[in-house]
Amino acid sequence: QKEVEQDPGPLSVPEGAIVSLNCTYSNSAFQYFMWYRQYSRKGPELLMYTYSSGNKEDGRFTAQVDKSSKYISLFIRDSQPSDSATYLCAMTRGSYIPTFGRGTSLIVHP
Amino acid sequence: KAGVTQTPRYLIKTRGQQVTLSCSPISGHRSVSWYQQTPGQGLQFLFEYFSETQRNKGNFPGRFSGRQFSNSRSEMNVSTLELGDSALYLCASSLEGGNYGYTFGSGTRLTVV
Repeated sequence: QKEVEQDPGPLSVPEGAIVSLNCTYSNSAFQYFMWYRQYSRKGPELLMYTYSSGNKEDGRFTAQVDKSSKYISLFIRDSQPSDSATYLCAMTRGSYIPTFGRGTSLIVHP
Repeated sequence: KAGVTQTPRYLIKTRGQQVTLSCSPISGHRSVSWYQQTPGQGLQFLFEYFSETQRNKGNFPGRFSGRQFSNSRSEMNVSTLELGDSALYLCASSLEGGNYGYTFGSGTRLTVV
């Protein structure tokens, strides 16, 4: 079992939909949680990071961490075709080196 | 401010050759990490340099090496290239490490033939 599990998709949604992207993890020592977005032929771009459990909102994006269930989510409201990309979750134990999920491919069609 | 610059963007090499990739981090960032990204394995950590010292190392063979200079610029070297080394190599820059997130470069696409 990998430390961080993420469904590769693709996840296809119509424009304007609410998107839910998720990761599960096995190591309860993870403390810092991040979401990255990666467009084709580009490096990943940091969207959000959170420390420990709870919610964090930034514009159309909300990151949610449930440490008791070892589950993190990224919600995208009012999704746009420009949101079509691969979304990677990442988390660290405080050791500076994140463990990444494999990424979920999101397609938002007009 | 300028982002993370990786050169070259694309590279084609022959098995057995060696290659050097370069990364210029964001000004003021002391930590530079290198990752290999492939469709099959996702993002895999190679190593991290902090203030010219290798602070962390991933589970890659000794053919993969790196260094960091006093201006924080970093290079990674792969010797005796194998077909399986074909991948996107990403450099990630941060102030202190990856806990609060990285800024990634656009990567170097290496193809070994």
